[in-house]
Amino acid sequence: GAVVSQHPSRVICKSGTSVKIECRSLDFQATTMFWYRQFPKQSLMLMATSNEGSKATYEQGVEKDKFLINHASLTLSTLTVTSAHPEDSSFYICSARSTETQYFGPGTRLLVL
Amino acid sequence: KNQVEQSPQSLIILEGKNCTLQCNYTVSPFSNLRWYKQDTGRGPVSLTIMTFSENTKSNGRYTATLDADTKQSSLHITASQLSDSASYICVVSGGDSWGKLQFGAGTQVVVTP
Repeated sequence: GAVVSQHPSRVICKSGTSVKIECRSLDFQATTMFWYRQFPKQSLMLMATSNEGSKATYEQGVEKDKFLINHASLTLSTLTVTSAHPEDSSFYICSARSTETQYFGPGTRLLVL
Repeated sequence: KNQVEQSPQSLIILEGKNCTLQCNYTVSPFSNLRWYKQDTGRGPVSLTIMTFSENTKSNGRYTATLDADTKQSSLHITASQLSDSASYICVVSGGDSWGKLQFGAGTQVVVTP
């Protein structure tokens, strides 16, 4: 089946720094990708919808200037957490839409110290 | 209020036994319902996807049912294995086939030897 990869799988950074997470669809082109955040023992919460070649659509309450999304190609979307703070520590999951369904990446564990 | 409610929150079963997870939803209009398996620290993996007209769908030892009239779904795991230990998430899509996904909180299943 279709595969979506994320890099890095986990990252630890200092408060105030920026972190970039990559999401790639490996064997299909995805005009739309999604970024989710998941806190422990909670379900996935949609942060934003990333559309290739256009601006991302953010969910209510998600700061677009803090969570920068770039979808420069049909196989790559990036999420940059700017000026990260400890409360940004979470599990970030991307997904990519194919013609059949939506495939999720393996997730990126972010820990901000 | 969450539009997708799952029960139980968690359950422990003995290896080899069967179990059934429940999902009730209020999402309307309805497009499709998916069950995902999420291992700890990993992204969700699709098990089944059902549209309005489908009552049941199987994927190996996993069998999902859907009653669109009562807005209920179940996921039955047969002859559980230790590798079935995971969180099982019910996801409902509303509107068109690519409508926004509504996530349940998941049922945490632990299979013990």
